[in-house]
Amino acid sequence: EIVMTQSPATLSVSPGEGATLSCRASQSVRSNLAWYQQRPGQAPRLLIYGASTRATGIPARFSGSGSGTEFTLTISSLQSEDFAVYYCQQYNNWPPMTFGQGTRLEMK
Amino acid sequence: QVQLVQSGAEVKKPGASVKVSCKTSGNTVTGHNIHWVRQTPGQGLEWMGWITPKSGGTHYAQRFQGRVTMTMDTSSTTAYMELSSLTSDDTAVYYCVISVEAPATPNFDYWGQGALVTVSS
Repeated sequence: EIVMTQSPATLSVSPGEGATLSCRASQSVRSNLAWYQQRPGQAPRLLIYGASTRATGIPARFSGSGSGTEFTLTISSLQSEDFAVYYCQQYNNWPPMTFGQGTRLEMK
Repeated sequence: QVQLVQSGAEVKKPGASVKVSCKTSGNTVTGHNIHWVRQTPGQGLEWMGWITPKSGGTHYAQRFQGRVTMTMDTSSTTAYMELSSLTSDDTAVYYCVISVEAPATPNFDYWGQGALVTVSS
């Protein structure tokens, strides 16, 4: 089973600034990686799939990059609603699909 | 418009079983596999398996083999996930999810609201 490791566990950023979240796979997942956002009390929401394709309705300030084992989610100009927990998920050679443990993005 | 509406919270004793439902609606839902994902404080998000609504075919994650059963009532377009031999480690929020935008890959763009299952003596 592929293990996904996210860093940092918590990131403190001021509104209006940018944020960079990282996700590492224990073996190559090519570009078969998705990112989700989870706000308190809500289900996760798909942001990015195929490592860099924004899902329908996702603002352009969210961007994904990377392939193989190293991936990045970048959020430019943070809005108040962006402070949440973010998860990466690999789906290479699925099943199974596996998720990272999450990065909490908090307001500084 | 795709919607997934799940049953409510449940409290179960260790050793019992729980059955969570997921009422689906929307024109395309029955053409997509319905997956189940759970979220626990300790393990985070865990994929449990899927069911193909039209055929009833299933595929379960290895760690849940023998304990999980996923079924589908096509007449009511409702999916069910039953988990048996519950322990406290099964305390979690259980989600039904589907992939519509990129249906060939498990990118879950539609989620139910979640069903909290608490296992406690």
